[in-house]
Amino acid sequence: NAGVTQTPKFRVLKTGQSMTLLCAQDMNHEYMYWYRQDPGMGLRLIHYSVGEGTTAKGEVPDGYNVSRLKKQNFLLGLESAAPSQTSVYFCASSDDSPHYGYTFGSGTRLTVV
Amino acid sequence: TQLLEQSPQFLSIQEGENLTVYCNSSSVFSSLQWYRQEPGEGPVLLVTVVTGGEVKKLKRLTFQFGDARKDSSLHITAAQPGDTGLYLCAGAYYSDYKLSFGAGTTVTVRA
Repeated sequence: NAGVTQTPKFRVLKTGQSMTLLCAQDMNHEYMYWYRQDPGMGLRLIHYSVGEGTTAKGEVPDGYNVSRLKKQNFLLGLESAAPSQTSVYFCASSDDSPHYGYTFGSGTRLTVV
Repeated sequence: TQLLEQSPQFLSIQEGENLTVYCNSSSVFSSLQWYRQEPGEGPVLLVTVVTGGEVKKLKRLTFQFGDARKDSSLHITAAQPGDTGLYLCAGAYYSDYKLSFGAGTTVTVRA
């Protein structure tokens, strides 16, 4: 019973490089989310998806793209990494409504130098 | 802009003491949730409150939702070192697909 799995757990990028973060959930949840967490700023929503094939922008979407080609996977892409994107990234999923709570992954710590 | 304000930002207490963490907003929420996050891990859901004035108890933790559904508190009785962590509140709006999170309260319980 894995829940939400994020890969990789750690990554160091050089400015301008690209990468994709993978989130996989095995709970058949409809909704999936990508957040970033920075000290003193809490969790800020980057993008989210309310179902397979759909995506929407959150609070801080600039510099990121996402795709939800399969219901169980939600990918977060950085096309040209910047030092401001150094953060811890969390993926989360929920069943038919966020009102009943999210299940979070264990996070990806990304450093852009 | 944080829609949910948590206070205090940091709290350090001795084992056995009580503590209260607050979560306030000017917005009305359909439900409010509390999560606990340990270092290197993702947040874990503790409780969801949905009715104004609702009180829920989870062992030594007591959660309360304000009558006006704009605020909440988390009270821990006889805190233990295992209660150490970052406590986050999150609010859901009616007909919305996502949660808004507060910045969190870092709680340290010293043995």
